[in-house]
Amino acid sequence: NAGVMQNPRHLVRRRGQEARLRCSPMKGHSHVYWYRQLPEEGLKFMVYLQKENIIDESGMPKERFSAEFPKEGPSILRIQQVVRGDSAAYFCASSPRDQPQHFGDGTRLSIL
Amino acid sequence: AQSVTQPDIHITVSEGASLELRCNYSYGATPYLFWYVQSPGQGLQLLLKYFSGDTLVQGIKGFEAEFKRSQSSFNLRKPSVHWSDAAEYFCAVGAGEYGNKLVFGAGTILRVKS
Repeated sequence: NAGVMQNPRHLVRRRGQEARLRCSPMKGHSHVYWYRQLPEEGLKFMVYLQKENIIDESGMPKERFSAEFPKEGPSILRIQQVVRGDSAAYFCASSPRDQPQHFGDGTRLSIL
Repeated sequence: AQSVTQPDIHITVSEGASLELRCNYSYGATPYLFWYVQSPGQGLQLLLKYFSGDTLVQGIKGFEAEFKRSQSSFNLRKPSVHWSDAAEYFCAVGAGEYGNKLVFGAGTILRVKS
């Protein structure tokens, strides 16, 4: 009974590098969501995807961030040219057609 | 815009005592409401949800919550707290065109003293 799987659990990058975070949804879930938890700021919605479609990206920063959920394979959150302010915990959640969302254990991203 | 307010940043209760965590929301339509719990270094676990129907909702681990439309509240309760309940609790409302965009409160950190 695998839940939402995120990897890596911890990721360290130097400023200017790229970070790729992966999320495999629960079996039978076709909807994926990404949230970011910044220190002292709480959880914020970033993007909502279905297979091969971005449904709502209203929470994504305009530059350097992108997300995909391909027909095969995990969902990927990609951050290009990382900066110190990108240090956070990134959570993926998945759901069937309707709620509720089930969360993974997150990827802790640290920028040196 | 939709928003969720959790007025208490920290709460400390004695083991065995009752607990109520407050949550107020701002949302135009009938909301989807959720409570999640997060232990340090872990993800969020769903405690309970309200979509419609009975306004008193039962969840896992002995938690319940009551939806009160007139007060725009969805407070979480537990009659007897256990030390293992110490964690951070988040209230959320489902927002956006599809109701799938969760808007979270700032969270309440629960400490349990023996």
